[in-house]
Amino acid sequence: GAGVSQSPSNKVTEKGKDVELRCDPISGHTALYWYRQSLGQGLEFLIYFQGNSAPDKSGLPSDRFSAERTGGSVSTLTIQRTQQEDSAVYLCASSVEGLLLYGYTFGSGTRLTVV
Amino acid sequence: GDSVTQMEGPVTLSEEAFLTINCTYTATGYPSLFWYVQYPGEGLQLLLKATKADDKGSNKGFEATYRKETTSFHLEKGSVQVSDSAVYFCALSFTNAGGTSYGKLTFGQGTILTVHP
Repeated sequence: GAGVSQSPSNKVTEKGKDVELRCDPISGHTALYWYRQSLGQGLEFLIYFQGNSAPDKSGLPSDRFSAERTGGSVSTLTIQRTQQEDSAVYLCASSVEGLLLYGYTFGSGTRLTVV
Repeated sequence: GDSVTQMEGPVTLSEEAFLTINCTYTATGYPSLFWYVQYPGEGLQLLLKATKADDKGSNKGFEATYRKETTSFHLEKGSVQVSDSAVYFCALSFTNAGGTSYGKLTFGQGTILTVHP
């Protein structure tokens, strides 16, 4: 597509439920990144995909968080047993492999609210 | 570890005022530096970048100079417009000489800018 697409745009879930967030990167972008934007916390790196593998998942905050990418395209971020502190905007970005000099293209994000 | 510190906001200016948003960084080695902008309801967009010391990035009237001696990358604009109202993020990443990234950006906290007519 023309841009990075994320769905849903908004998600309200009850504490303890699992959620899945989806990211469709720009076609041909082999690098994909997930970030979390929390109020007062700025943007935190979560995980980086190179193709279908994740050479850097150092930012995942706990084992409740996992992500996968299939076909070198769509990625899903899963949060199990959600907690209120998981409430944030989850941003996905993609880029031509390794060419950070051109900058990422970010999606508009999924706003997750855990009640 | 690497970190980016931005001037805390919010910043409120009148149209045509001069803008400075301070950004300093801590990093081992020589990172590439970026400013990203997030307009209301939109995703983050790359505003400008600089990849080595003394480089000046510029775009849409905004400028920032990579100062190694002061580890800074302050964002400036001579005359802001209402349409510049947004959240501005300073960020760093590491690239090799060929421009290949090490995968992630480290962001500052973000600075909210509001410009009034």
